[in-house]
Amino acid sequence: GNSVTQMEGPVTLSEEAFLTINCTYTATGYPSLFWYVQYPGEGLQLLLKATKADDKGSNKGFEATYRKETTSFHLEKGSVQVSDSAVYFCALRPPGGNQFYFGTGTSLTVIP
Amino acid sequence: GAGVSQTPSNKVTEKGKYVELRCDPISGHTALYWYRQSLGQGPEFLIYFQGTGAADDSGLPNDRFFAVRPEGSVSTLKIQRTERGDSAVYLCASSLSGTSGNEQFFGPGTRLTVL
Repeated sequence: GNSVTQMEGPVTLSEEAFLTINCTYTATGYPSLFWYVQYPGEGLQLLLKATKADDKGSNKGFEATYRKETTSFHLEKGSVQVSDSAVYFCALRPPGGNQFYFGTGTSLTVIP
Repeated sequence: GAGVSQTPSNKVTEKGKYVELRCDPISGHTALYWYRQSLGQGPEFLIYFQGTGAADDSGLPNDRFFAVRPEGSVSTLKIQRTERGDSAVYLCASSLSGTSGNEQFFGPGTRLTVL
């Protein structure tokens, strides 16, 4: 079946620290992979995506590389800001499929 | 342009009552999705519409849950005989089409509390 396993939080970092949030997946074939972010009081927003193996998605200083060999899509940012405090969700969409499968979310708090 | 909107933002009801949750997708988006997000969990798929028809309703937990999209735009999720376990945030998303790589745009959700 299809599933996403995400690093459990909460994660607390100081401003300018390096961030990694781990995400691994189980799927048949080559799914599309996504990171969504949910800021306090707001809806889910797409942060970045990758649709094939070895693709790197990037946005707002965040990056994630689609690794087929390790079935992973880890989210990284070199220097976090207070404004990055949010809940981050890893998700996959199976090839030819319509629904998304989400991880449980990782809460990030960045302190000044 | 306007994003996905959902009403109401909060709904409190009593066990056994009937509720309707509404979703207005982004104009021109043919695909519409409903998800349920329980506390501390990621969203779980309920149902997907392509146009007016439910193309995939495999995520609906039981026959108390039903959704419609009669004109291919606004959708209503209906829950009969609500139970306390139905308490969750119900999310709606839309995308340009059902094609695999298309981004889904999410609404802010309706928080349903069943007392």
